[in-house]
Amino acid sequence: AQTVTQSQPEMSVQEAETVTLSCTYDTSESNYYLFWYKQPPSRQMILVIRQEAYKQQNATENRFSVNFQKAAKSFSLKISDSQLGDTAMYFCAFSRYGNKLVFGAGTILRVKS
Amino acid sequence: EAQVTQNPRYLITVTGKKLTVTCSQNMNHEYMSWYRQDPGLGLRQIYYSMNVEVTDKGDVPEGYKVSRKEKRNFPLILESPSPNQTSLYFCASRGVSNQPQHFGDGTRLSIL
Repeated sequence: AQTVTQSQPEMSVQEAETVTLSCTYDTSESNYYLFWYKQPPSRQMILVIRQEAYKQQNATENRFSVNFQKAAKSFSLKISDSQLGDTAMYFCAFSRYGNKLVFGAGTILRVKS
Repeated sequence: EAQVTQNPRYLITVTGKKLTVTCSQNMNHEYMSWYRQDPGLGLRQIYYSMNVEVTDKGDVPEGYKVSRKEKRNFPLILESPSPNQTSLYFCASRGVSNQPQHFGDGTRLSIL
């Protein structure tokens, strides 16, 4: 069974600085999807970024980028120029065919002014 | 607007009183799923449905039922709720397999 581990329960960062959230996963599959979801206090689940395992190029979405290391089974999220609105719980998730999402426990990120 | 709609958003109820959380999507998605979110555990899949009349268990199905009589609706049924089902519940749907899932806004259930 696939597992996803987020080893940082909480993190904080100053506004405008850069922060990296860690995620490791375990799978024997070669093709899969990886995701980062943001959950603000409103509790909505918002897709931040998605990576397809067969693509070697790291995904980027504006201030958000990932460092995907397939051999190491690592999928970290970098947030540049952090903003107060980035304060949220961040979940890393794995999916084999786009069906069941397997989530990590989450990392609470606090952006300080 | 493309969306997944869950109702109710909040519910406080008592042990043993049957309840249903509704989920509806307007995107003609075939795949729908229910998750529960608990502190320190992230989200875990309860049930999923690949299409009308096709449902299957996820990782934590005990105490729950689902049905998929129409493509757009996927209700979650707790026939005899217990306090350990107090949680935040999310419904999600997906179109083709390489597309990400769309989540509803969540339902906070408290069972006393």
